[in-house]
Amino acid sequence: GAGVSQTPSNKVTEKGKYVELRCDPISGHTALYWYRQSLGQGPEFLIYFQGTGAADDSGLPNDRFFAVRPEGSVSTLKIQRTERGDSAVYLCASSSKTGWDTEAFFGQGTRLTVV
Amino acid sequence: AQSVSQHNHHVILSEAASLELGCNYSYGGTVNLFWYVQYPGQHLQLLLKYFSGDPLVKGIKGFEAEFIKSKFSFNLRKPSVQWSDTAEYFCAFRGGTYKYIFGTGTRLKVLA
Repeated sequence: GAGVSQTPSNKVTEKGKYVELRCDPISGHTALYWYRQSLGQGPEFLIYFQGTGAADDSGLPNDRFFAVRPEGSVSTLKIQRTERGDSAVYLCASSSKTGWDTEAFFGQGTRLTVV
Repeated sequence: AQSVSQHNHHVILSEAASLELGCNYSYGGTVNLFWYVQYPGQHLQLLLKYFSGDPLVKGIKGFEAEFIKSKFSFNLRKPSVQWSDTAEYFCAFRGGTYKYIFGTGTRLKVLA
């Protein structure tokens, strides 16, 4: 596709439920990022993939959060036992290579609301 | 810890006024620097970037930014803003890692 695509664009879920957020990166992009943006804040790093592997998951807040990228393209962010504090916009970004001089392209995000 | 400070949280300007948004980062080594813009209802878009070379970087829509290494700064400027520049602006950097570290953003409102 022309850009990074995230689905759904909005998700409302009840506290305690499980959710999956999907990201389709730009075709051919090997690097993929997940960020979380809370109200009034800048994007906060969650996890970074190079190909299929999570090169850095140090930003995941706890073990309720998990992400996969099984074929090195689409990625899914999974949140178990959601809490109201998980409400935020979840952003996905991709870049064409893993080298130093690269820029990330962002999707429109998934707005997650936990009620 | 690596961080970015954006000094102005909200800025209101009249059309044709000049703009300067401050950005300071904390990291002692080589950096890549970015300004991203988010127009209402849209996704984050790259405005401009600095990797190396000329510290004065020109981006889209007449924006420019200057990297001053001694001040750890990368301020964004535009000589004459337009109503369509109303948006939120984020400064970000990468320092020794592939993570992008973002500031908290500056909301710019331009009055017609």
